Amino acid sequence: TQLLEQSPQFLSIQEGENLTVYCNSSSVFSSLQWYRQEPGEGPVLLVTVVTGGEVKKLKRLTFQFGDARKDSSLHITAAQPGDTGLYLCASNDYKLSFGAGTTVTVRA
Amino acid sequence: DTGVSQDPRHKITKRGQNVTFRCDPISEHNRLYWYRQTLGQGPEFLTYFQNEAQLEKSRLLSDRFSAERPKGSFSTLEIQRTEQGDSAMYLCASRISGEDDEQFFGPGTRLTVL
Repeated sequence: TQLLEQSPQFLSIQEGENLTVYCNSSSVFSSLQWYRQEPGEGPVLLVTVVTGGEVKKLKRLTFQFGDARKDSSLHITAAQPGDTGLYLCASNDYKLSFGAGTTVTVRA
Repeated sequence: DTGVSQDPRHKITKRGQNVTFRCDPISEHNRLYWYRQTLGQGPEFLTYFQNEAQLEKSRLLSDRFSAERPKGSFSTLEIQRTEQGDSAMYLCASRISGEDDEQFFGPGTRLTVL
């Protein structure tokens, strides 16, 4: 079973600041997905990364996949209160294996 | 809205009672998944179906848990003789097999066992 570690566990920042959250694995990812989950809702897919060294951008969100495909990061520029949520990384196979997530709070 | 729906959204029950949850996937999706999420953790895989066939069950799925998808459309998850440790969010997701991208999640059923 692939173990995913996410850090930090909690992150609280002021609106307009930048933040980075990390996801590390004990083994190589076939592909990795990032999700955001809001309270009382299911996770929603943000991005899928497949190739080592890959960088994807989604508006103010930048996703990087490590060269060795064992780690990934999510960077948010100029965070807004609407970015508040639980950010989860998951190993993408026929089933998903999730990390414990990073709870991000953006204060207005 | 044609997303994944789950019913009920919340369930409070007493220890020892049986509960059943329902999931309606996106209509053309042939794969259906159940996950469990406890506070402070990410979702954990429980089981999945391709059409009506249950293809895998996690070791987390004790013999008190049973899932069905009788006609390859909606699915039910039943927990018998509930225990306080069963308290969690139960999430359902669906996708099209052969496409390795997105699983679409429902809003979940929050179970509280008193």
